[in-house]
Amino acid sequence: DGGITQSPKYLFRKEGQNVTLSCEQNLNHDAMYWYRQDPGQGLRLIYYSQIVNDFQKGDIAEGYSVSREKKESFPLTVTSAQKNPTAFYLCASSRRGGENYGYTFGSGTRLTVV
Amino acid sequence: AQSVTQPDIHITVSEGASLELRCNYSYGATPYLFWYVQSPGQGLQLLLKYFSGDTLVQGIKGFEAEFKRSQSSFNLRKPSVHWSDAAEYFCAVGASGNTPLVFGKGTRLSVIA
Repeated sequence: DGGITQSPKYLFRKEGQNVTLSCEQNLNHDAMYWYRQDPGQGLRLIYYSQIVNDFQKGDIAEGYSVSREKKESFPLTVTSAQKNPTAFYLCASSRRGGENYGYTFGSGTRLTVV
Repeated sequence: AQSVTQPDIHITVSEGASLELRCNYSYGATPYLFWYVQSPGQGLQLLLKYFSGDTLVQGIKGFEAEFKRSQSSFNLRKPSVHWSDAAEYFCAVGASGNTPLVFGKGTRLSVIA
């Protein structure tokens, strides 16, 4: 079955470390997205990519970086510059023109700073 | 830019009772509207969507939603709630041109016996 896989499900990071969250899809979707979810804040867009080798900042990109070298993969790096990285991170993908079809979401990665 | 408001942070209903979750959007043209559901610690699942045609749309799990342009609303309804419907519900709005969806802050639904 096609879908989106996020790994790991739980991740612990020491202050000052960079960590990378994995997101892989086998849906042949062109677009991929990273959202951050905090209690009571809903989903806030970090970065998105409409095609390979291109990506755009979302509303809260500071302290994060991404790459899109393959259509199937869109990893997110949480850098030490992100002051409050503890959150639930969701990856999503869509066909081109995602507003027509909606997004398919992964099951998320919970990142905790220790 | 588009925006979404979900006025209710938390709603509690009795099992078997009807449900209506509110969603108001702001967008100058005809919006693309979605409702998603999220179980604890999980990703989001699409319940239903609207972008044209009949303003009453049917979704999965017995949910429906009605688009009312005059009220800028897209409320989610279910005639009889089951305990398994307890979850968080998100309304989202999209615009043409490949711009990312904008999500509301969510409404947490609790179901009591």
